[in-house]
Amino acid sequence: KAGVTQTPRYLIKTRGQQVTLSCSPISGHRSVSWYQQTPGQGLQFLFEYFSETQRNKGNFPGRFSGRQFSNSRSEMNVSTLELGDSALYLCASSYLGQQNGYTFGSGTRLTVV
Amino acid sequence: QQQVKQSPQSLIVQKGGISIINCAYENTAFDYFPWYQQFPGKGPALLIAIRPDVSEKKEGRFTISFNKSAKQFSLHIMDSQPGDSATYFCAAIMPGGGTSYGKLTFGQGTILTVHP
Repeated sequence: KAGVTQTPRYLIKTRGQQVTLSCSPISGHRSVSWYQQTPGQGLQFLFEYFSETQRNKGNFPGRFSGRQFSNSRSEMNVSTLELGDSALYLCASSYLGQQNGYTFGSGTRLTVV
Repeated sequence: QQQVKQSPQSLIVQKGGISIINCAYENTAFDYFPWYQQFPGKGPALLIAIRPDVSEKKEGRFTISFNKSAKQFSLHIMDSQPGDSATYFCAAIMPGGGTSYGKLTFGQGTILTVHP
């Protein structure tokens, strides 16, 4: 059974640019959550999608957005990149997006220079 | 109210010893408490989880102890091995629905090093 696949694994972008990250969930999982991981702030929840609808959102600025496709694959986009956006971005998939059954991908390491 | 506080930040244990990581939460609406293990270059992986109606749960060498009145829970790793060296995160989540969908609230993490 394939796990959660995140692409690309590494990205280097320049301040002011935008970036799109991709997440393919485990087959059959309909919920995808995104997290930002930094040494200073730890793991912070960005948003959750289920059946192409955003059901929950964390405390991040509007530059962070996402979407989910009909096959449950999800993308997140960060516009007007800032140095502080450098982080490991993780997605987690689960069947229903409720309490248990979250499986994380290996993440995309974004570096903003 | 959404915070989960984790300690210590780092922990060094000798092989065969017991590793203990502690977490405390504020929001009594949390009712599911998982622990995750993360190796460098990997995402967090679920290790063990507990609900507040249970005071202890054991899976192999890993045990969660839960104190509902104190709003604290801890992870005990018995017979710690060098392969257990990783970062450990406690987390909490509320019952399904609304602002809890997909949202794990994590502690700050504990870097565990087990010396051979």
